[in-house]
Amino acid sequence: EAGVAQSPRYKIIEKRQSVAFWCNPISGHATLYWYQQILGQGPKLLIQFQNNGVVDDSQLPKDRFSAERLKGVDSTLKIQPAKLEDSAVYLCASSPFAGTDTQYFGPGTRLTVL
Amino acid sequence: KQEVTQIPAALSVPEGENLVLNCSFTDSAIYNLQWFRQDPGKGLTSLLLIQSSQREQTSGRLNASLDKSSGRSTLYIAASQPGDSATYLCAVHGSNDYKLSFGAGTTVTVRA
Repeated sequence: EAGVAQSPRYKIIEKRQSVAFWCNPISGHATLYWYQQILGQGPKLLIQFQNNGVVDDSQLPKDRFSAERLKGVDSTLKIQPAKLEDSAVYLCASSPFAGTDTQYFGPGTRLTVL
Repeated sequence: KQEVTQIPAALSVPEGENLVLNCSFTDSAIYNLQWFRQDPGKGLTSLLLIQSSQREQTSGRLNASLDKSSGRSTLYIAASQPGDSATYLCAVHGSNDYKLSFGAGTTVTVRA
């Protein structure tokens, strides 16, 4: 079974530029999560999708971050404009259902904002 | 708000020694607790999941205990190997909001 795929793996941009990350969850998984992991910290949930609807985006900085899940499968996370403090690893995870299922994580995208 | 703390932040041991990693959480209203492993440049891999009604879970050389009332979990890794070098993260699923709250992790180095 293929795991969660993410691209790109690394991205370096200058502040005020925009960037987009892509995630392809495990086939058949209804729930998709985006996490932000700042160096030295645990992952923090940014947004959770159930199929193509948003379940929780309470910690998403909506003035600069946006996310969508196309047809309930792939998802993109966008930052526009980026700030220095957005430097982090962005992890995508998926699970078969919502709630307390085990989440399966992708390799992450490491973003550096200069 | 759930706060998850992991102590120590880093640990270095010689090969063969047993590892003891600690995790504490502030809100005992949890559904389950998971231990993850994270290798540099990689995502998280789930090691063990303990339901709130369970006291411990075992998988090979790994054993995790849970004391929900005191808000503590411990991960034991027996007879450590250099391949066990990684960051270990503890995460709890809240039973009120179903969110996964993570600790900052313990970075383990096993010296050959």
